[in-house]
Amino acid sequence: AQSVTQLGSHVSVSEGALVLLRCNYSSSVPPYLFWYVQYPNQGLQLLLKYTSAATLVKGINGFEAEFKKSETSFHLTKPSAHMSDAAEYFCAVSRASYDKVIFGPGTSLSVIP
Amino acid sequence: NAGVTQTPKFQVLKTGQSMTLQCAQDMNHNSMYWYRQDPGMGLRLIYYSASEGTTDKGEVPNGYNVSRLNKREFSLRLESAAPSQTSVYFCASSEVTGSLTDTQYFGPGTRLTVL
Repeated sequence: AQSVTQLGSHVSVSEGALVLLRCNYSSSVPPYLFWYVQYPNQGLQLLLKYTSAATLVKGINGFEAEFKKSETSFHLTKPSAHMSDAAEYFCAVSRASYDKVIFGPGTSLSVIP
Repeated sequence: NAGVTQTPKFQVLKTGQSMTLQCAQDMNHNSMYWYRQDPGMGLRLIYYSASEGTTDKGEVPNGYNVSRLNKREFSLRLESAAPSQTSVYFCASSEVTGSLTDTQYFGPGTRLTVL
C-alpha cells in the first residue's frame, strides 16, 4: 500500500530563510507526486506535480521539489521564505493515473518576521 | 468564475440526524471528489465520480452516500450522523475523466460537528 510521511508536523523559519519541508513516500512503482498548499480557512491548491519527467519540478510562488528515487523522497524547498508562505503543506502520492491520491498528514509552516 | 463552491460552510448536527453537503463546480470538469480532513491525518478520499453518471468508493466510504446529480453537482449525504464524522469536508474537481492524478481544484470546505 502507498503511504506518505512528512517529517515535522510544524516548521518555523525566519523571513528570508530557506524553507525545507520533507516528504518521503512508499510506492511499489514509480509514483506521481504532488505538493498542495492550504492557506487558513481555504481549500487546497496545487503547488507542483511530478509525473516522471524532469526530477526537479518547479511550482508556483518560487517553490520547487526534487524527486530522488534512491531516497524515496520529494522534499519541497524555497530559497527565501515570505510571510505569505505561512500555510499548511501536504505531500501526496499516487501509483498511476487511474489510482487514488494518498495525502500525507501535512506540515504547518510558520514564518517569523 | 466561482470555481468549486460548497454549502453549507458550517453545520452542527445531533447524533442520528441526516444531512446533505452540496458541491458545485463551474469549470466544466468531468471528475469530482469528496474528502474529509482530520487533524494529523491529511485528507482521506470518501467517494469520487470519474465522470457524470459514475461513482466509486474511496478510502473511507462507510456512513456516506453520494449523488452525481449532473456534470456540475456532486452531493455527499450522511444518513445517520455519528460523532466520528465530525470533520472538515472538502469537495474537489478535475478536468480529465478517470485520471485521479489530474490537478484537483478544491472548494473552501464544510466544517461539520456531530454532537
